Amino acid sequence: QQQVKQSPQSLIVQKGGISIINCAYENTAFDYFPWYQQFPGKGPALLIAIRPDVSEKKEGRFTISFNKSAKQFSLHIMDSQPGDSATYFCAAGGSYIPTFGRGTSLIVHP
Amino acid sequence: DGGITQSPKYLFRKEGQNVTLSCEQNLNHDAMYWYRQDPGQGLRLIYYSQIVNDFQKGDIAEGYSVSREKKESFPLTVTSAQKNPTAFYLCASSRGTWRTDTQYFGPGTRLTVL
Repeated sequence: QQQVKQSPQSLIVQKGGISIINCAYENTAFDYFPWYQQFPGKGPALLIAIRPDVSEKKEGRFTISFNKSAKQFSLHIMDSQPGDSATYFCAAGGSYIPTFGRGTSLIVHP
Repeated sequence: DGGITQSPKYLFRKEGQNVTLSCEQNLNHDAMYWYRQDPGQGLRLIYYSQIVNDFQKGDIAEGYSVSREKKESFPLTVTSAQKNPTAFYLCASSRGTWRTDTQYFGPGTRLTVL
């Protein structure tokens, strides 16, 4: 049972464009929604996270938008750069056990 | 350098053999986690530990075992009971729970069972 659905599976954008990755969750008890970035052969690294008391959080070129009623959240990467090419995972959960999406492979063409 | 060390980076074993993956952290974190990553599957939680001498099963604990005898160490044993052990294994740690403090990941161990 997949509790966090992530889309698209892969994404190709041009340098300078906007990359948008979406996630939907089912469990209304989830109260923490992070995004991770993973480069090939490496472990994921926390990129940005949001809690349900806010609808948007921005850190540099990265923004999370959160829609509690729709149980959806998304990652927006503004001015996408070739160095942003990586796999991005959303996650959701409560106190101890996170549930991860299946990942989105982002390629940014120069 | 503070961080999480996983060794070895690549590991090959014959079918039917138990194998232990190492995870060490010098971040003084209380919580440690083991995940399995398969292509197109995302990360799935195997076991987690909030304190020394205590650990809990995650979503896919069958065929795996762990111990937490020291705060800095959380080894994972892949037993012969694990039906499909070939995967990329990631260890992580956090000061508190994963939702209150940043979860840091190690570089991973790629296990191939022949």
